[in-house]
Amino acid sequence: RKEVEQDPGPFNVPEGATVAFNCTYSNSASQSFFWYRQDCRKEPKLLMSVYSSGNEDGRFTAQLNRASQYISLLIRDSKLSDSATYLCVVNLRPRGSARQLTFGSGTQLTVLP
Amino acid sequence: DVKVTQSSRYLVKRTGEKVFLECVQDMDHENMFWYRQDPGLGLRLIYFSYDVKMKEKGDIPEGYSVSREKKERFSLILESASTNQTSMYLCASRAGGSGANVLTFGAGSRLTVL
Repeated sequence: RKEVEQDPGPFNVPEGATVAFNCTYSNSASQSFFWYRQDCRKEPKLLMSVYSSGNEDGRFTAQLNRASQYISLLIRDSKLSDSATYLCVVNLRPRGSARQLTFGSGTQLTVLP
Repeated sequence: DVKVTQSSRYLVKRTGEKVFLECVQDMDHENMFWYRQDPGLGLRLIYFSYDVKMKEKGDIPEGYSVSREKKERFSLILESASTNQTSMYLCASRAGGSGANVLTFGAGSRLTVL
């Protein structure tokens, strides 16, 4: 079983739709959680951190479910510019370890006009 | 903003050649990382460094070595390139301390080994 697992998609949705991605992680002691965004042929960039109580940044909402060991990303009112691959990133290692972050293989989203 | 610069965006090499991929960051970050990214496999950690001249193996170090002689520069070396090392290579840096988790990536180096 992969340490961090995502549905690869692709998710093809019309503009204005709401879409949600989930990501499961294997280590219940995981400390920190993030969503990165990667545009085609570009480097990954931090989209948002995921906090225990859930957090929102504009049209994007991130949630953490520790009991079921998954995080989610919800995108409301999808825009064409949201088309990208969304990477789930989990800190699986003990706090203080430099080798901390493990990446999921990404979920591809295409927003259609 | 932190800037991470990778020296080559695209390289084509032949099997058996030695390959150097260089990465420079300008924000005095302690930690630097080399990943490779392949379709369906995501980003996999090759090596990382938490200080000058310090290095640790990641998940897939075989066939690679690294060098960190200066804090701002982290080089990935393929001593004898093979076709299965054709990939996108991403360098990243991160500040030190247990509270610093965010990685900043370079634009990537796409290597093709013929």
